[in-house]
Amino acid sequence: GNSVTQMEGPVTLSEEAFLTINCTYTATGYPSLFWYVQYPGEGLQLLLKATKADDKGSNKGFEATYRKETTSFHLEKGSVQVSDSAVYFCALSDYNQGGKLIFGQGTELSVKP
Amino acid sequence: KAGVTQTPRYLIKTRGQQVTLSCSPISGHRSVSWYQQTPGQGLQFLFEYFSETQRNKGNFPGRFSGRQFSNSRSEMNVSTLELGDSALYLCASSSSARVASYEQYFGPGTRLTVT
Repeated sequence: GNSVTQMEGPVTLSEEAFLTINCTYTATGYPSLFWYVQYPGEGLQLLLKATKADDKGSNKGFEATYRKETTSFHLEKGSVQVSDSAVYFCALSDYNQGGKLIFGQGTELSVKP
Repeated sequence: KAGVTQTPRYLIKTRGQQVTLSCSPISGHRSVSWYQQTPGQGLQFLFEYFSETQRNKGNFPGRFSGRQFSNSRSEMNVSTLELGDSALYLCASSSSARVASYEQYFGPGTRLTVT
């Protein structure tokens, strides 16, 4: 079945450091890939998405490229801020399963000033 | 445009009781999905409704049920509550149930505590 695997956290970085959160997936079809972010006490917010191979999603300085050959969708940001501290979830959605999202386990990011 | 709203935000129930959670999707969205979030199991899909019909269901016992009304508002019900049902229940809405690339927009969740 379909699945998503993320690097384990927590990840602690200093402000302005480079961020990479690894995400790999297993899917039988042609999934769409998403990154969601969850701030403390809140629901999930869509950060970015990519719907086909080689697509790059980007938003608020974050970006991720859909790599079909390595089945990966790693999240990157060149310079993190304290306000980026949150839990990040990688997810996939497969046409064969409608809008059902399958999530990775989440990676907690803590950015120190 | 108003976002997804969920009520109540917090709920405390006793084992054996039942509970009903409500979700109002973004105006114009006809698809509503429910997810359970726990520290141990992470985010798990419960079910999805589109135009009052359940289109997809996750691997949860029959104690978990839901429905959708003609105005797209949705409710989920959990009967005979167990301690393990304590979780954050998230509702998400989307404009389509069949296009995987469509974004899902999440509400703030209902925090259910079972004692």
